Amino acid sequence: KNQVEQSPQSLIILEGKNCTLQCNYTVSPFSNLRWYKQDTGRGPVSLTIMTFSENTKSNGRYTATLDADTKQSSLHITASQLSDSASYICVVSRWMDSSYKLIFGSGTRLLVRP
Amino acid sequence: NAGVTQTPKFRILKIGQSMTLQCTQDMNHNYMYWYRQDPGMGLKLIYYSVGAGITDKGEVPNGYNVSRSTTEDFPLRLELAAPSQTSVYFCASSSVGYGYTFGSGTRLTVV
Repeated sequence: KNQVEQSPQSLIILEGKNCTLQCNYTVSPFSNLRWYKQDTGRGPVSLTIMTFSENTKSNGRYTATLDADTKQSSLHITASQLSDSASYICVVSRWMDSSYKLIFGSGTRLLVRP
Repeated sequence: NAGVTQTPKFRILKIGQSMTLQCTQDMNHNYMYWYRQDPGMGLKLIYYSVGAGITDKGEVPNGYNVSRSTTEDFPLRLELAAPSQTSVYFCASSSVGYGYTFGSGTRLTVV
């Protein structure tokens, strides 16, 4: 079954600290893996997109890693800011029926406290 | 650029009522999608379209209908609202199905 599992479900950290969010997937065939940030009451916004051959990709203080062999990804946030408080969603894409189909994880809710 | 615009932002419906959720994009994307997001769950695909005049079912299409008469617009129709359709609905668009842009969502409550 095509699934995307994220951990932890929620996380509270102090401003300035680092954190790492995890994503495991069983989606096949794999096309690419995306991390999205979703602020409360808003739509998801793309942070990174990685294909099978990419091991790491950064976007400012966000760094995503991908191990396609173990089907695991992580999102590392460095020097967290209050504005990082949001849900972070791991999404795996598979190509079928002439389009990409996205399989969404349920997200990790991050709260950054001052 | 406006990107993907959804209206309304909030709506309360009574059981059995009908409504249309509007979605418009100004990026000339061929692909458009409707998702629903239930609390604590990942987004689920309702319907998608790969171009004007072409629509197809996603994972959870029951109770919904769509049309795609133009590249820009992709409305989602609920004919007989049920409490199970209480959710947040997101419209998205992409070119070649790669980089997705999401709207800000419509929060629908059916009572």
